[in-house]
Amino acid sequence: GENVEQHPSTLSVQEGDSAVIKCTYSDSASNYFPWYKQELGKRPQLIIDIRSNVGEKKDQRIAVTLNKTAKHFSLHITETQPEDSAVYFCAASNPGNTPLVFGKGTRLSVIA
Amino acid sequence: DAGVTQSPTHLIKTRGQQVTLRCSPKSGHDTVSWYQQALGQGPQFIFQYYEEEERQRGNFPDRFSGHQFPNYSSELNVNALLLGDSALYLCASSFLAGNYEQYFGPGTRLTVT
Repeated sequence: GENVEQHPSTLSVQEGDSAVIKCTYSDSASNYFPWYKQELGKRPQLIIDIRSNVGEKKDQRIAVTLNKTAKHFSLHITETQPEDSAVYFCAASNPGNTPLVFGKGTRLSVIA
Repeated sequence: DAGVTQSPTHLIKTRGQQVTLRCSPKSGHDTVSWYQQALGQGPQFIFQYYEEEERQRGNFPDRFSGHQFPNYSSELNVNALLLGDSALYLCASSFLAGNYEQYFGPGTRLTVT
């Protein structure tokens, strides 16, 4: 089955700097890669996703890149703000609205 | 437009007891997936329901069972609770023929003592 590895497990950045979180997946059939943000005690919130027919997607300060050949995808947050502090999870799924397989998460701290 | 809702918010049970958790999907969604999130870990897939049938199942024992109702809401039942079942249980809803996006409910925090 699919296995998703996520790095780093913790990340501290100064406010205004960029943050990058990387994930690798094992199943070449996976075609959907969402990113979720989870604040303490709250639900995971979908912040951006990418499908295998696209190499990059941007939404304001957030971008995701996908390298299908290398089977890795990354989340980029620019101009970080204290409210970006949270745990971020990457996930992957196969075609057909199959269940998500999550990475173990990255705790991002943005220091003001 | 209501999002995904879950009840109860918190629950404390004793080992060996049984528990039922409930989920109402986002309006327009027909598929419900349940995930278990242990402290400091990513969510792990338990099972998925569509058209009142279990569509897929993760690596969880038969003590975990579920149900989906005609209005697409769902229940997760856990029998013979173990201490290791203590976790945040998340429900996610999606539209099977849609664009794969899954939206999570706020979760039920289950503590087994």
